[in-house]
This record gives sequence, C-alpha cells and structure tokens, in this order.
Amino acid sequence: QVQLQQSGPGLLKPSQTLALTCAISGDSVSSKSVAWNWIRHSPSRGLEWLGRTYYRSKWSNDYAISLRSRINISPDTSKNQFSLQLNSVTPDDTGVYFCARTNMGANDKWGQGTLVTVSS
Amino acid sequence: QSVLTQPPSASGTPGQRVTISCSGSDSNIRSNTVNWYQHLPGTAPKLLILRNDQRPSGVPDRFSGSKSGTSASLAISGLQSEDEADYYCAAWDGSLSNYVFGTGTKVTVL
Repeated sequence: QVQLQQSGPGLLKPSQTLALTCAISGDSVSSKSVAWNWIRHSPSRGLEWLGRTYYRSKWSNDYAISLRSRINISPDTSKNQFSLQLNSVTPDDTGVYFCARTNMGANDKWGQGTLVTVSS
Repeated sequence: QSVLTQPPSASGTPGQRVTISCSGSDSNIRSNTVNWYQHLPGTAPKLLILRNDQRPSGVPDRFSGSKSGTSASLAISGLQSEDEADYYCAAWDGSLSNYVFGTGTKVTVL
C-alpha cells in the first residue's frame, strides 16, 4: 500500500522560501517506472502542476514554465522522500500543496495536502 | 491560463447522464493520453480515468472517458449526490514539457 505523507510549515511571509517534504512508503523514490510530483490548488487557478523528479538511468526534473526561475524539486534516497523548494513566495503562492506519484502516466497516489498561506 | 479548456459548470438530476468536455491541442491531447480527476476542495484529488478511457480499481463504471483528436470527454451516468465535485482533465504537453490540468468543471446535482 503506497502512502505519501507531507510535512512542512504552512505559514510564510512574502519573500520567504516554501519548503515541503513528501515521505514515501510502499514504493521507492528511485523507482524507474514512476515520477514524483508537486501540485497545488487554489480557488482562483484550480489544480496547477508545479513539477516532478524521476529516476531512469539518472535523476531528471521538469518544472512548470511559470515557476522555473524559483522552484527546485529534489529526491532524498536515504530517507525515501522528495522535497519542494519554492523561493521568493508571494500571496499568489497561497494554496493547498499536494505531492503525488505518477504511475502509468497518471497521478494515482496523493499526499494529504498542506495548506500554505503567504501573508505579511 | 490553462491550455486545456473545460466548461465551468455542469449539472443534472439524480439518475441523469452528465458529460464534461476538455478541449486541447496537438501538443497535448492529440499526442498524449488524457486523465480525469475528481476533486473536493480541501481533500486530495482522486484519479477517475487514466489513459483516455481506463478506470482504476474501485472507480464505478458510471464514469467513462473518451478521446477524439484534440478533445476528450468524461461522462457520468446515473448521477448520484456524491458525484457533486470539481472535475479536471489533464495531459502531458510535449511543447511545454509540462503536465497541464484543465480549467475544471463544477458538477452540481440538482
């Protein structure tokens, strides 16, 4: 049974760095058949894919075009988890953040969600 | 702005059939498979349909998906009150190298 458990602070001030972690059980972050994603939801934008990390013969990342200058997603193989770092947050980054596994081209397992609020 | 366009709302009475459209382009829907998600805000989205028309284990057969060209559709037959939620299509976009979600459709059971 694959489970994803998110952790990280939910309240930030503008210009700070958002840092969330997704711990994986029942699968491996290094699995060559899946990818590991961050996705967020806000009432104004709906669901928005932020990016992913995955391992084939090497580690690779893809990021949403609008966030490429300030986002980083990285694996931690020693802890079987992956993390999101989003720099220079603004109130527009407020939303519920989810980690999710891509398997057979679809996001089939999701974390519980973390409400992130950016406010001065 | 999402590259996949959905109607903002759809509705029906219990037992009716509701269809949601998803319009894209050659770089996403025509070139790649489409997935559909059901989302209740505040909870984790649920995968309803993968690879255009496949249901994961546990998803009722009231839900069905299809794709033709640059468009896809989700149909809910025998509408039930628990189907009231937001529904999103999604696909990989090869030109953007991004996974893109649709604009979302709110389904209301009257």
